[in-house]
Amino acid sequence: GNSVTQMEGPVTLSEEAFLTINCTYTATGYPSLFWYVQYPGEGLQLLLKATKADDKGSNKGFEATYRKETTSFHLEKGSVQVSDSAVYFCALSNRDDKIIFGKGTRLHILP
Amino acid sequence: DGGITQSPKYLFRKEGQNVTLSCEQNLNHDAMYWYRQDPGQGLRLIYYSQIVNDFQKGDIAEGYSVSREKKESFPLTVTSAQKNPTAFYLCASSITRTGGNEQFFGPGTRLTVL
Repeated sequence: GNSVTQMEGPVTLSEEAFLTINCTYTATGYPSLFWYVQYPGEGLQLLLKATKADDKGSNKGFEATYRKETTSFHLEKGSVQVSDSAVYFCALSNRDDKIIFGKGTRLHILP
Repeated sequence: DGGITQSPKYLFRKEGQNVTLSCEQNLNHDAMYWYRQDPGQGLRLIYYSQIVNDFQKGDIAEGYSVSREKKESFPLTVTSAQKNPTAFYLCASSITRTGGNEQFFGPGTRLTVL
């Protein structure tokens, strides 16, 4: 079946540090991959997505590349800000199935 | 502005009472979803609907019920049969259920059972 595994948090970084949040997946076929962000007390917002192998999704300085050979979709940002503090969810969606979410990674950025 | 609205933002209920959470979207999406979020457990799917007058159970449907009488609306009722209803509830929609489409989320309703 389909599944998503992402690194457990919390992840704590200083402002301007480099961020990586790992995400790997198991799926049949060729799923679409997503990163969502959830700020405290709010719903999820789509951060970026990739629909085929080697695609790079990017938004607000965040990037993730769809790596089929390693079944990964790691989230990266070169210089984080305090305002990036949130919970980040990796997710996949196959053609005939609902979206499968990872458990989320809480990110704390210290000023 | 197009989007998804959920009301109320905070809801309190006494044990043994049913309560209905509202979800409305003006995105003209066919598919709608209800999730439950508990700390450390990510999102769990309660019910989903691909089209008006049709809906399917998700992974944790017991103690919940839904209706889809209009394309724009997908209310969730938390019944007294739900043993641990205190949680954050999220409604979402997508253009269709198939094809790897992203979902758009509402702001959520936090339900507390007193």
